[in-house]
This record gives sequence, structure tokens and C-alpha cells, in this order.
Amino acid sequence: QVQLVQSGAEVKKPGASVKISCEASGYSFTTYSMNWVRQAPGQGFEWMGIIDPSDANTTYAQKFQGRLIMARDTSTRTVSMELSGLTSDDTAVYYCARAGLGYCSGSNCYTPLGYWGQGSLVTVSS
Amino acid sequence: EIVMTQSPATLSVSPGERVTLSCRASQSVSSTLAWYQQKPGQAPRLLVYGAFTRATGIPARFSGSGFGTEFTLTISSLQSEDFAVYYCQQYNDWPRTFGQGTRVEIK
Repeated sequence: QVQLVQSGAEVKKPGASVKISCEASGYSFTTYSMNWVRQAPGQGFEWMGIIDPSDANTTYAQKFQGRLIMARDTSTRTVSMELSGLTSDDTAVYYCARAGLGYCSGSNCYTPLGYWGQGSLVTVSS
Repeated sequence: EIVMTQSPATLSVSPGERVTLSCRASQSVSSTLAWYQQKPGQAPRLLVYGAFTRATGIPARFSGSGFGTEFTLTISSLQSEDFAVYYCQQYNDWPRTFGQGTRVEIK
């Protein structure tokens, strides 16, 4: 079965960076894109970006451009997300979420978030 | 970006009742609309994608409908395990965006 296991909770100071990993199992790693989504305490969801593990191609939400880096390691079946320039507004639970069933039209693919990791709490505090 | 608006914010219902949740997109998203369920302390679970297709293992009491800008998630007979927060999400355009959620609570 599909499993996404994320790294543990982190506490960071303002201005620091955080890197979260997501290890995938139970499916062909390079076949499905991986999204990153976050949820601030008591709030809804914010989509951050997506990476295609087959070629490492990424699309980031404009809000995070310049301080977000997504990467993948096919040998360990792991994707990672690094967010820099942290502020208290970045305090949230961060989720990796594998693409579900959808379709592609040309170079664009349209997929829901089919499987989610357990979440990683990042707390930014001085 | 596409703004997703859900209504109502909270629904108070009794077990066995029929529940209808609404989701509106600020512009057409065709049928690229998903619904998720989230319980406290848990990651979300995909319920419906493509506006009306149930995800694997999702009970038949959950059904989705709609196209373009207006969507609905219906729970035909609410079970105790269905009390949760429900979110819609469009995946037609970047950035992907979510509604603010509808909380279904026990009446």
C-alpha cells in the first residue's frame, strides 16, 4: 500500500531554514508527482508546490518563489522541501501529498492529492 | 488565483441525516475538483475527485456533483465517523487552492 513517511517536528528561529523529508513506498516512485501543502494552526490548507520525481521538474506557488526548494532522491525514494527565511507565519504542519488519479493534456497534468503523509510540525519562535 | 468558497462554515446535524456541502469557484475549474475529509489530529483523506468520482475505499454514501464553478458534496446518511471538517480543492490552475472548510458537528 502507498505510504508516505515524513521527518519529525522541528523548532526553528526566525530567519532560519527548515528541511522536511518524505519517504515514499508502495508504488512506482517516479510515476506520480509529489505536492507539498501546509496548514497553519486552526486554519485551512495552503498549497506550496509540486515536484515530478521523474525529472525533478518543479512548480512553486508564487508566494514561495525564492525561498522554497523541492528536491528528490530516486535512490532513497525521498522527496524533500526546504523553506528559508522563516517567520512566525510559517508555523504550520507541513504535508507531502502524492498525486492521485487524474489526467494529462499536453505538458499539463491535473491530479488531486491522493495520498498524504502524516505531517511535520514546524514551529518558528524566537 | 482561483478562490474557493465553501458554505456553510459549520453544519450541526444528527446521525442519519442527509448533508449537503457547497463549494464555489471564482472561475471555472471544469471538473478538476476534489473533496477531502480531515479529522482532528489527522492528515486529510481524499473522498472525491474529478468532481464526482469516489476515491478508493470511500463509502457510497459520499457523492459529489457539479461542474464549472458550483460543486456539492452529499452525505446521504451521516454516520458517527463522518463528523469532521470537509475541504474542497481545485486542481485546474496554479496555484492549487482550497476552500476554507465546512465543519460537520453533532447536533
